Amino acid sequence: DIQMTQSPSSLSASIGDRVTITCRASQSLRMHLNWYQQKPGKAPELLIYAASTLQSGVPSRFTGSGSGTDFTLTISGLQPEDFATYYCQQSYSPFTFGPGTKLDI
Amino acid sequence: QIRLQQSGPRLVKPSQTLSLTCAISGDNVSSNNAAWNWIRQSPSRGLEWLGRTYYRSKWYDDYAVSLQSRITVNPDMSRNQISLQLTSVTPDDTAVYYCARAEMLWLGDTYYYYMDVWGTGTTVTVSP
Repeated sequence: DIQMTQSPSSLSASIGDRVTITCRASQSLRMHLNWYQQKPGKAPELLIYAASTLQSGVPSRFTGSGSGTDFTLTISGLQPEDFATYYCQQSYSPFTFGPGTKLDI
Repeated sequence: QIRLQQSGPRLVKPSQTLSLTCAISGDNVSSNNAAWNWIRQSPSRGLEWLGRTYYRSKWYDDYAVSLQSRITVNPDMSRNQISLQLTSVTPDDTAVYYCARAEMLWLGDTYYYYMDVWGTGTTVTVSP
């Protein structure tokens, strides 16, 4: 199985900040990497797929980059609704999630 | 708009079989550009993908290696839904269970899958 790691596991930030979350895979994923946001009591929601493609309806302050084994999610200009937990997920063979990064104030 | 409606018992006894269904509206379970998944989430395991079924001229399924001996995901074309069966459950199987649609998209030279629609989740407790 492909193993996924994320760093940091938690992150404190303020409104307007720019934050970056890193995801690493145990083998190359090419660009088969997705990012999700989850708020308490809710199902995860897709933010970015294929490493860098923004899902329809997701604000442009979310950007994804990377390929192979190293990927990043950047949120530019944090908004109150962005405080949540973020997960990466590989879709190469077949699916595995990272452990999550909790973003709070 | 695609929606997934989950149903099933919320309490299961140890050693019994956990059974959930996921009714699909706005899409077809036999769609050639989607796969239908089960995922669970618990404090100890985080988000764990369990398995999927999909149709590409015939039915296929994939399962997490750790669960292969206990899990079945089946499509039901007549009801346009999928089901999850997990046998011989233990308290470690206590979790929130989600079904999710994975869109399949051809980009460049390969297919990409991403879970763009999720059910609302079912909390299942395994306890005597």
